[in-house]
Amino acid sequence: SQTIHQWPATLVQPVGSPLSLECTVEGTSNPNLYWYRQAAGRGLQLLFYSVGIGQISSEVPQNLSASRPQDRQFILSSKKLLLSDSGFYLCAGSTGSSYEQYFGPGTRLTVT
Amino acid sequence: AQKVTQAQTEISVVEKEDVTLDCVYETRDTTYYLFWYKQPPSGELVFLIRRNSFDEQNEISGRYSWNFQKSTSSFNFTITASQVVDSAVYFCALSEGGATNKLIFGTGTLLAVQP
Repeated sequence: SQTIHQWPATLVQPVGSPLSLECTVEGTSNPNLYWYRQAAGRGLQLLFYSVGIGQISSEVPQNLSASRPQDRQFILSSKKLLLSDSGFYLCAGSTGSSYEQYFGPGTRLTVT
Repeated sequence: AQKVTQAQTEISVVEKEDVTLDCVYETRDTTYYLFWYKQPPSGELVFLIRRNSFDEQNEISGRYSWNFQKSTSSFNFTITASQVVDSAVYFCALSEGGATNKLIFGTGTLLAVQP
């Protein structure tokens, strides 16, 4: 089964600073990969998804971007963080016809 | 449009009580997939179960059971003899599958099991 790794676990960044969150997948190849954000209040918002290397689809126009430089690597970035970017960021992956998504441990981002 | 509704925002029970978490979904697709996830205080979402739209058979796994009813567009989750370790936020989700396999999540139900 696949394992999703994310780092860092927590991050405190000032407004206007850049961001780079990394997600890597172990135990599978050609996964679909997803970035979600969970703000206070528990709702999960899909930010980006990728069905292959270099293929990124954005769900919500915002201050963030994503890239997939390798099959099992998914990166979430921002050039200048906003206060509203604070939240819990989760990376997930799915493969084949199983359809369930497996999640990483998440990164808690606080923008100050 | 697809939608998942979890009307119960918070539920509090005493240990050993049975509890049912409700999930109602909307979709125009004939083929779809339903899921339950558990999010303990640590934050990571843990996959619990997947149900395909063409399989209405209910499922039991230990103290967990799931009741899928297409006639009412519901996919409810019951925990029997709840335990403190069951305390978490539980999410119901829906997917059309396909190449993108995007999940639509409900807003979650916070379950607090008191000792």
